[in-house]
Amino acid sequence: DGGITQSPKYLFRKEGQNVTLSCEQNLNHDAMYWYRQDPGQGLRLIYYSQIVNDFQKGDIAEGYSVSREKKESFPLTVTSAQKNPTAFYLCASSRTGGNLDGYTFGSGTRLTVV
Amino acid sequence: GEDVEQSLFLSVREGDSSVINCTYTDSSSTYLYWYKQEPGAGLQLLTYIFSNMDMKQDQRLTVLLNKKDKHLSLRIADTQTGDSAIYFCAEGRANFNKFYFGSGTKLNVKP
Repeated sequence: DGGITQSPKYLFRKEGQNVTLSCEQNLNHDAMYWYRQDPGQGLRLIYYSQIVNDFQKGDIAEGYSVSREKKESFPLTVTSAQKNPTAFYLCASSRTGGNLDGYTFGSGTRLTVV
Repeated sequence: GEDVEQSLFLSVREGDSSVINCTYTDSSSTYLYWYKQEPGAGLQLLTYIFSNMDMKQDQRLTVLLNKKDKHLSLRIADTQTGDSAIYFCAEGRANFNKFYFGSGTKLNVKP
């Protein structure tokens, strides 16, 4: 079955450390996205990529970095420069060029700074 | 405009109908979507509607679109406790390369 997998489900980070969240899809989707979700604030776009080796900043990119070396993978690094990283992180993918399927979401990674 | 707005909370009794509302600002929106998020999980696509449609029904779900007022609603008939979740509306524009999500409406269904 095709899908999108995020790992780990829970992640704890000490202050000052970088951590990388994994996102893998086998849907053959061209586009991938990272969102951050805080209580009562909905989804905020961090980065997105429409094609391999290319990505764009979203609304809250500061303190985050991404790479898109393979179509299937879009890892997100939360750097020590991100002042308030504790949140629920959602990865999504979609076909580009217009489609009815919308986005397919992963099950999320909950990051907590300790 | 990029704003998609929803009220934050809705509480209903089991068996009643729920109506979740959404307003958007961009008239170029082509598709509008409703997603459901259960606690600690990702978002699942519930349904969608083309911007040239007024209504779409899918079992217990009815989507109404008023394009003139840029207003979208999701009606859930015979609401069950399993419908308790956060519901997001989203608009997709011509190139679909970015969706714009509302802040989500938390639906609480009381037994």
